[in-house]
Amino acid sequence: SAVISQKPSRDICQRGTSLTIQCQVDSQVTMMFWYRQQPGQSLTLIATANQGSEATYESGFVIDKFPISRPNLTFSTLTVSNMSPEDSSIYLCSVGGGVYDEKLFFGSGTQLSVL
Amino acid sequence: AQKVTQAQTEISVVEKEDVTLDCVYETRDTTYYLFWYKQPPSGELVFLIRRNSFDEQNEISGRYSWNFQKSTSSFNFTITASQVVDSAVYFCALSGTYNFNKFYFGSGTKLNVKP
Repeated sequence: SAVISQKPSRDICQRGTSLTIQCQVDSQVTMMFWYRQQPGQSLTLIATANQGSEATYESGFVIDKFPISRPNLTFSTLTVSNMSPEDSSIYLCSVGGGVYDEKLFFGSGTQLSVL
Repeated sequence: AQKVTQAQTEISVVEKEDVTLDCVYETRDTTYYLFWYKQPPSGELVFLIRRNSFDEQNEISGRYSWNFQKSTSSFNFTITASQVVDSAVYFCALSGTYNFNKFYFGSGTKLNVKP
């Protein structure tokens, strides 16, 4: 199993600012995933972060709004840029999945509130 | 297209009652994986089970059981003799052949178990 540390655990931000969320895994992984969970909603995949290449974004998410870094096999960051109240969500980092890795492991999430 | 439907938004039961959470999925993949995750009030996502599409055998783990029926594209989850600690949001999820790492989550079912 993988242990994922995510920080900050929560933050309250002003409209128009940016927040960078960090995700650290206790083992090397090829892919890391960023999900968003809007209040009372399900999880939606934002992007897949591969080490050494640009992140792959899902429909509805763009790099300018959610830039991602993946400097090595154990770390990734997600930045929420130019925030608006609609960005208030829980952001979750995850690893795993695939035929051999089976389940997804999730970090504890970052609760973001934008005023 | 991949889709997971959890029609039950919220269920309330009294402790010791049995409860079934429904999950219906859509996929064109011949090989796929189905999952259940639990999200307690603390927010972290806890993996419960993974089932691949070739294994239709039902599974029991303590008070938990899962009924996978390919004919009806359903993967239902039953909690027997529910307990207050079972109160959580439960998510059903699907991953497919060509991108095992991409998970599609249902909207979740909030289970309230009252003492």
